[in-house]
Amino acid sequence: GQQVMQIPQYQHVQEGEDFTTYCNSSTTLSNIQWYKQRPGGHPVFLIQLVKSGEVKKQKRLTFQFGEAKKNSSLHITATQTTDVGTYFCAGGSGYSTLTFGKGTMLLVSP
Amino acid sequence: GAGVSQSPRYKVAKRGQDVALRCDPISGHVSLFWYQQALGQGPEFLTYFQNEAQLDKSGLPSDRFFAERPEGSVSTLKIQRTQQEDSAVYLCASSSSGTPHVGHTQYFGPGTRLTVL
Repeated sequence: GQQVMQIPQYQHVQEGEDFTTYCNSSTTLSNIQWYKQRPGGHPVFLIQLVKSGEVKKQKRLTFQFGEAKKNSSLHITATQTTDVGTYFCAGGSGYSTLTFGKGTMLLVSP
Repeated sequence: GAGVSQSPRYKVAKRGQDVALRCDPISGHVSLFWYQQALGQGPEFLTYFQNEAQLDKSGLPSDRFFAERPEGSVSTLKIQRTQQEDSAVYLCASSSSGTPHVGHTQYFGPGTRLTVL
């Protein structure tokens, strides 16, 4: 079945540093979604990418979907303590439901 | 409604007990999903409903797990004869889309943390 892998599993940065998490799928995706889960919270939708090579920005967050629609990345510029949480990618393929990656936990020290 | 709600928020069960977890989706949302999230892992798909129809239950780990959504709104996930490996957070999500995937945000509830002793 479809597998979605994320790296790194964990990253600890100083406030102001940049952060990137990468997502790779074993199959070509029809779309990819990104979610953020704060400690003790539930996943909250951030964005969806559908087109090959698509790039979307939300303030300090930049999301990319690879040309082959098998990988994606989330980049945060100048992290803040409010960025703390676990970032999940979730891929959709054909008529399947979303497959979530294991997530990247981000810690930001002030 | 304001969002997806789930109850109870926490449940402790003795091994072998049956449990029932409730999900109230956002009013009018057609699609409803159940996920299981173990500690340090991503949500793993359990089952999907479109209105009252259970269209995909491929993620249910065993026949001890059963889900229903009889009137196309509230859903219940039932686990019979709970085992320790069932301990996890059970998340419910709903979507306004009638299709399970492309183009539509899933709104998650706060989850039910199940601990089986």
